Amino acid sequence: GAGVSQSPSNKVTEKGKDVELRCDPISGHTALYWYRQSLGQGLEFLIYFQGNSAPDKSGLPSDRFSAERTGGSVSTLTIQRTQQEDSAVYLCASSPRPPGDQRETQYFGPGTRLLVL
Amino acid sequence: AQSVTQLDSHVSVSEGTPVLLRCNYSSSYSPSLFWYVQHPNKGLQLLLKYTSAATLVKGINGFEAEFKKSETSFHLTKPSAHMSDAAEYFCVVSDGTGGFKTIFGAGTRLFVKA
Repeated sequence: GAGVSQSPSNKVTEKGKDVELRCDPISGHTALYWYRQSLGQGLEFLIYFQGNSAPDKSGLPSDRFSAERTGGSVSTLTIQRTQQEDSAVYLCASSPRPPGDQRETQYFGPGTRLLVL
Repeated sequence: AQSVTQLDSHVSVSEGTPVLLRCNYSSSYSPSLFWYVQHPNKGLQLLLKYTSAATLVKGINGFEAEFKKSETSFHLTKPSAHMSDAAEYFCVVSDGTGGFKTIFGAGTRLFVKA
């Protein structure tokens, strides 16, 4: 079946511009996660949604980052006034189980490669 | 608080020899533990997971991992490396109770020599 999809696959932008990254989770998956993978770094957890609700936003690096999810499906990660240090691969994952469920497994999308010039 | 440490940033083996990728974790709760693999320019793929059932977990592509609570370890092994195993491997711990947090290790790059 269809997996997690993300768009765009690559994005090049100028410093100071806003960008929107989109994630389409696997149909029926209630939990959705955003991660960032910077060059030479491990994966950094950003935020998760259970349904349309994001109980914990503490992982977002700054107030320039925001995310929303509508209809319990598609999610958008927005970065305002992009900086060069925002350059990274942004990964989305979804899970049929709620966060904290022992049976939880996350399925990852291919990522969006963001380059801020 | 949770943390995960992958003890080797790079591991190099010859094709046909055993693979050992080391992971130590700390968690205040009974954790769920995962290994993911990421091939170049590809997304993350789940290899295996531990969720308090059997301590020896078998995954895809001949990989397995053993949960050792006394050593707080979850090392990934494979008896015989294949060239296609060359990739980056991430050990992951997830808080299984109360609040949610998923922590990724820094990754181990596996090189396989012919």
